[in-house]
Amino acid sequence: GAVVSQHPSRVICKSGTSVKIECRSLDFQATTMFWYRQFPKQSLMLMATSNEGSKATYEQGVEKDKFLINHASLTLSTLTVTSAHPEDSSFYICSAREVGTSTEAFFGQGTRLTVV
Amino acid sequence: DAKTTQPPSMDCAEGRAANLPCNHSTISGNEYVYWYRQIHSQGPQYIIHGLKNNETNEMASLIITEDRKSSTLILPHATLRDTAVYYCIVRVRGSNYKLTFGKGTLLTVNP
Repeated sequence: GAVVSQHPSRVICKSGTSVKIECRSLDFQATTMFWYRQFPKQSLMLMATSNEGSKATYEQGVEKDKFLINHASLTLSTLTVTSAHPEDSSFYICSAREVGTSTEAFFGQGTRLTVV
Repeated sequence: DAKTTQPPSMDCAEGRAANLPCNHSTISGNEYVYWYRQIHSQGPQYIIHGLKNNETNEMASLIITEDRKSSTLILPHATLRDTAVYYCIVRVRGSNYKLTFGKGTLLTVNP
C-alpha cells in the first residue's frame, strides 16, 4: 500500500514553544490529508481536514489559531502546535488519500508530542 | 455515519482464528463497513471493507449478515503480531475520507 511518513516520530518541547509536525505522502499525491489526535487509552479524534491549496477545515472545538495546518503541496501537510502546553501532549496522526483513486486513506506512524 | 458497537476486549490463542464482532444496526443502504487496526503506538492500518457481500483479502475475511446489521472480522490464523485495537467503522464510501473512530476491540493474541 501507499506510504505516509510523519516526522518527527517523537518530540519533547518546553511549554510556550511551537512544534511543527510534517506529514508526507511518499509515493503518491494527496489532495486531502487528515490530522488526528489520540490521548492515552482513548480513541483517535479528528482535528482537521487539510486540503491542498486551501484553508483547512477544523472540527468543532479545535482551535485553528493554536493548531496551524498548511498543505502547500500534494505531498506535504504540516501541523504546527503553537504555544504548546502540557495538555497538548498527545499522539498526533495524519492520514492521506491518493488523488484520483478510490483507495482508502493511509495513515502515518504518528508523532508522540510531550510538552514539559 | 452509523454508530457501531464492539466488545472492549477479546483474547485469542496464537494460531487460532480470531473472530471480532461488530454491531451496526442503524446502517443505511449506502454505508460500507470498514475495519482498521492500531498496533500500540502506531498509526491505524486499513484491513478490509465491504458493503453486503463477504470479502476476503490477504489479511482477513469480512462476514456481513444478510440484514447488514452486524459483521464479523476474521483473522484466520492469529499471530502475536495481530495484537492490536481493531476498529469497525461504518460510513458512506467516497463521501469523504475522514473516519470516526469508536473505542474498538483490544484483541490480545496469547502464545
